[in-house]
Amino acid sequence: QVQLVQSGAEVKKPGSSVKVSCKASGGTFSRYAFSWVRQAPGQGLEWMGGIIPFFGTTNYAQRFQGRVTITVDESTSTAYMELSGLRSEDTAVYYCTRDYGDYGNPYFQHWGQGTLVTVSS
Amino acid sequence: EIVLTQSPATLSSSPGERATLSCGASQSVNRRYLAWYQQKPGLAPRLLIYDASSRATGIPDRFSGSGSGTDFTLTISRLEPEDFAVYYCQQYADSYPSFGQGTKLEI
Repeated sequence: QVQLVQSGAEVKKPGSSVKVSCKASGGTFSRYAFSWVRQAPGQGLEWMGGIIPFFGTTNYAQRFQGRVTITVDESTSTAYMELSGLRSEDTAVYYCTRDYGDYGNPYFQHWGQGTLVTVSS
Repeated sequence: EIVLTQSPATLSSSPGERATLSCGASQSVNRRYLAWYQQKPGLAPRLLIYDASSRATGIPDRFSGSGSGTDFTLTISRLEPEDFAVYYCQQYADSYPSFGQGTKLEI
C-alpha cells in the first residue's frame, strides 16, 4: 500500500525559500514518478511540476519555472519540493502525489496529507 | 496549455437525486486523458475516475465518467450524504497537467 508522508507546516518570510519533503513507502520507489500540487486557501488545485527519477527528468509548470526545484533522494525514498522567492500569494497547502498513467502524462491516485506553507512578514 | 472549465460552479441537490457535472477543455484532450477528483474540507483530493471513464480502486459504481474530445461529464447516479463535496477535473494529455476550477456540490 502506497503511503506518502509529508513534513510539517512552515511559516516563512517573504523572499525566503521553503523545502517540503515527502517520504514514500510501499512499492519500488525508483519506478515511481512524483508531482507537487498546491492549493491556496479557498482556491482550486494547481500542478507545480513533477519528477521521473528513473529517467532523471523534471518538468515544471511555466509559471513556476526558475522558482521551483523538485528532487528525490532514493536512499531514503523521499521526494522534495523547494520553492524560492516566496511571496504572500504562495501561502497554500502543498501536496505531493505519486504519478499514475504514462510517464509524463500523470494522473494522481495517491496523495500526501498536505503541508501548509504560510508566507508572512 | 489546456484550460479546463467546469460547470456549474455550484450545484444544489438532495440525497437520492442524480447529479451531472461538466468539464470543458480549450482543446481536444487526446486519448481521453481526463480524471475526476473529489475533495472534502481539510483533506487531500481523492481520485474517482481516470481515462475519462475508468473508476479508481474502491470507488462506488454510482460514480461514472463519460465524454471525449473537449466535453466530459461526471455523473453521480444517486447522491449519498457523503457525496457533497468539491469535484475537480484534470487533464493529463499534454506535458503540463491542469485542473478545472472545481464544482461545489451542496445540499
